[in-house]
Amino acid sequence: DQQVKQNSPSLSVQEGRISILNCDYTNSMFDYFLWYKKYPAEGPTFLISISSIKDKNEDGRFTVFLNKSAKHLSLHIVPSQPGDSAVYFCAASAGRGAQKLVFGQGTRLTINP
Amino acid sequence: DTGVSQNPRHKITKRGQNVTFRCDPISEHNRLYWYRQTLGQGPEFLTYFQNEAQLEKSRLLSDRFSAERPKGSFSTLEIQRTEQGDSAMYLCASSPKTGGNTEAFFGQGTRLTVV
Repeated sequence: DQQVKQNSPSLSVQEGRISILNCDYTNSMFDYFLWYKKYPAEGPTFLISISSIKDKNEDGRFTVFLNKSAKHLSLHIVPSQPGDSAVYFCAASAGRGAQKLVFGQGTRLTINP
Repeated sequence: DTGVSQNPRHKITKRGQNVTFRCDPISEHNRLYWYRQTLGQGPEFLTYFQNEAQLEKSRLLSDRFSAERPKGSFSTLEIQRTEQGDSAMYLCASSPKTGGNTEAFFGQGTRLTVV
């Protein structure tokens, strides 16, 4: 039962353009969502998060949008840079203070010069 | 503080052998987690400690797996009688206890290969 799904295994974007990574979830109890970035041979690195009481959170070039009715969130990266090439994981947790994260399968983003 | 530290980085073992991994969390983080990641998948939750108490275990954690955090600082994950299906990246993460949500900080992982 995949509660968090990233349906695009890979995405290729031109440098300077916008990258949009998508994530869907099924568990209505999820109330906190995170995006992690992972380079090869390294652990995941936290990028940005959003609470279910918000629909948008922005941090520099990264913006996360949450659509609770559609159980969908997206990560926008603009402008995309070569260093953004990595695997991006969407994760979710349920309950205030709960820390068990449920991850999606990941999307490999490649930024082309 | 250099972040979450995991040792060893790589481990190759023969099927049937026991292996033990160590995780040193970020100091003052009282929450510690173990995840497992296989190729093409996201990390899967295994278990979670708050200080020395193991508060949750996934059904993925069979009887051959045991985790400890004896003094509420570093943690060990032991796999007994390893099987080829245990081959994966084992990730440790830590986070501070807060009144709300916070992100978990991951180590670089231990890659286990069972031959």
